[in-house]
Amino acid sequence: GQNIDQPTEMTATEGAIVQINCTYQTSGFNGLFWYQQHAGEAPTFLSYNVLDGLEEKGRFSSFLSRSKGYSYLLLKELQMKDSASYLCAVRDTNYQLIWGAGTKLIIKP
Amino acid sequence: GAVVSQHPSRVICKSGTSVKIECRSLDFQATTMFWYRQFPKQSLMLMATSNEGSKATYEQGVEKDKFLINHASLTLSTLTVTSAHPEDSSFYICSASVTDTEAFFGQGTRLTVV
Repeated sequence: GQNIDQPTEMTATEGAIVQINCTYQTSGFNGLFWYQQHAGEAPTFLSYNVLDGLEEKGRFSSFLSRSKGYSYLLLKELQMKDSASYLCAVRDTNYQLIWGAGTKLIIKP
Repeated sequence: GAVVSQHPSRVICKSGTSVKIECRSLDFQATTMFWYRQFPKQSLMLMATSNEGSKATYEQGVEKDKFLINHASLTLSTLTVTSAHPEDSSFYICSASVTDTEAFFGQGTRLTVV
């Protein structure tokens, strides 16, 4: 079966760094996405990885290791507005997105 | 980035009535749009893939006669929840892809059936 695992909830301090992990087992791989979703709102695109390595975009970075079926989203200089759910999604052989359940990130002052 | 507009953002309807949700791509043509539903504290669940000019492809377990999808133009897809019941209350979201590496989402529709 297809499966994406990410922690249910994480807590971090404002100004700090947090890493959200995602492991996946899917039928094929055509890219991994990270989305941010605030409560009651639609997801917004953060990053896309298809090759191994680190993609940096401002305070957010995303890493991929295809051989390990593993990705992480790194958030630096955390701000209160970063409190949200972070969704990992993998596109499989059929180009269908398989979604993780999301990680709720709580930022404390 | 590309803009996907979804309307209405919130709707409350009586049990047994039908509700139509619109999803528009404002600045690009979307041959394919996706419809998701999301229950509280759960991930997005793909309901169906909407293809312009042809029948939608529904995921297993999704009743096509209950969730009617029409993709009549390259910029508009609609989802109609027919004979809605309280268990249909959920957050419905549409999305469309502009490039291979990014998908854009509508604002979502919070449906409450009373």
